[in-house]
Amino acid sequence: ETGVTQTPRHLVMGMTNKKSLKCEQHLGHNAMYWYKQSAKKPLELMFVYSLEERVENNSVPSRFSPECPNSSHLFLHLHTLQPEDSALYLCASSQGRAGFQETQYFGPGTRLLVL
Amino acid sequence: DQQVKQNSPSLSVQEGRISILNCDYTNSMFDYFLWYKKYPAEGPTFLISISSIKDKNEDGRFTVFLNKSAKHLSLHIVPSQPGDSAVYFCAASTSGTYKYIFGTGTRLKVLA
Repeated sequence: ETGVTQTPRHLVMGMTNKKSLKCEQHLGHNAMYWYKQSAKKPLELMFVYSLEERVENNSVPSRFSPECPNSSHLFLHLHTLQPEDSALYLCASSQGRAGFQETQYFGPGTRLLVL
Repeated sequence: DQQVKQNSPSLSVQEGRISILNCDYTNSMFDYFLWYKKYPAEGPTFLISISSIKDKNEDGRFTVFLNKSAKHLSLHIVPSQPGDSAVYFCAASTSGTYKYIFGTGTRLKVLA
């Protein structure tokens, strides 16, 4: 496997469910990101981890809970979501040079539908 | 307040001609700019970037121009090919932060 992978690619969940999105990067990077892309809106940064430490939390509701056990893996734990949380969730990684002109590389995304 | 704007939601160009995609920004602290391409059901793919110390960067058929005084950047694709049909996003960041601000994207259609 190369690049950034995400599983599952599609997810349908009820508002009372608990699920997790997984991201893995094979690029040797030190920083990982979660983004949300809703229809007709720009990509919105949710969380950033650098060397397993959270360095950005963009006022995301607590029903989204990130976890970064090591620099290659990133999870997004979901619980009691709302229908408006339906979106494409993208993971990205970058070298982690303290945010200096970094290029982020994206995974294919997880298309989430909350019923 | 949207700091990065792509005012054209779509663009159609004949194969072999030049495609010009535009992006405007408002934050003068941005010093690194990127273009990404996105196909349906895939994540954005990095295309080309430019630092604010430059006004042009070229990579094959793709050239990015930066006009700092106008807070404007553009992506030129020459010659355009049908495989270039995708949504193109510009993004901007400030050194010392991990935050990218993305535009809403422009859908390019290259007609054969």
